[in-house]
Amino acid sequence: QQPVQSPQAVILREGEDAVINCSSSKALYSVHWYRQKHGEAPVFLMILLKGGEQKGHDKISASFNEKKQQSSLYLTASQLSYSGTYFCGTERINRDDKIIFGKGTRLHILP
Amino acid sequence: DGGITQSPKYLFRKEGQNVTLSCEQNLNHDAMYWYRQDPGQGLRLIYYSQIVNDFQKGDIAEGYSVSREKKESFPLTVTSAQKNPTAFYLCASSMRGAGQFFGPGTRLTVL
Repeated sequence: QQPVQSPQAVILREGEDAVINCSSSKALYSVHWYRQKHGEAPVFLMILLKGGEQKGHDKISASFNEKKQQSSLYLTASQLSYSGTYFCGTERINRDDKIIFGKGTRLHILP
Repeated sequence: DGGITQSPKYLFRKEGQNVTLSCEQNLNHDAMYWYRQDPGQGLRLIYYSQIVNDFQKGDIAEGYSVSREKKESFPLTVTSAQKNPTAFYLCASSMRGAGQFFGPGTRLTVL
């Protein structure tokens, strides 16, 4: 029941865009997105709830397609500070507060 | 300052010993979580608690135990039954339906 993230790794030049996908085989209530830098704890970016909403956070935004149980994280005009590993976490439709994380997508931004 | 703390930062254990990892939060969050992180595996859920005196097993609970006697505290014991305990352990807390705040983590090494 672990969500599947793709791609596993991305290398970009500063200013380029990236999309990270998260897919689940289970009906979802919410999708969380986090960024983790090496040796540090994950940091919460945003949460998307059932209802197919799209949220934004500076140049980072995300969408949630509840019919397909898929979420995508969009990084626009990437900055060096965007480097790190991005994780999606999913909560099932039964709202049991159990958050299951994907294996992560490593993003490396080159100057 | 509100936040979530974990101690110790580094922990060394001999085989056959039980060790307890501390997690404290002053965010007044109802839910608390323990995750284990291994290279390339993402975050795997060990236990979580939605309310005081109640907790639920995650996907890899075998060899671990927890307690939730106070809202602020959720200690994790790694028992001798856990065959491969060397990992990075992360504690998190959240309000229901909101993003998770993570502590700085404890790196456990079995000698």
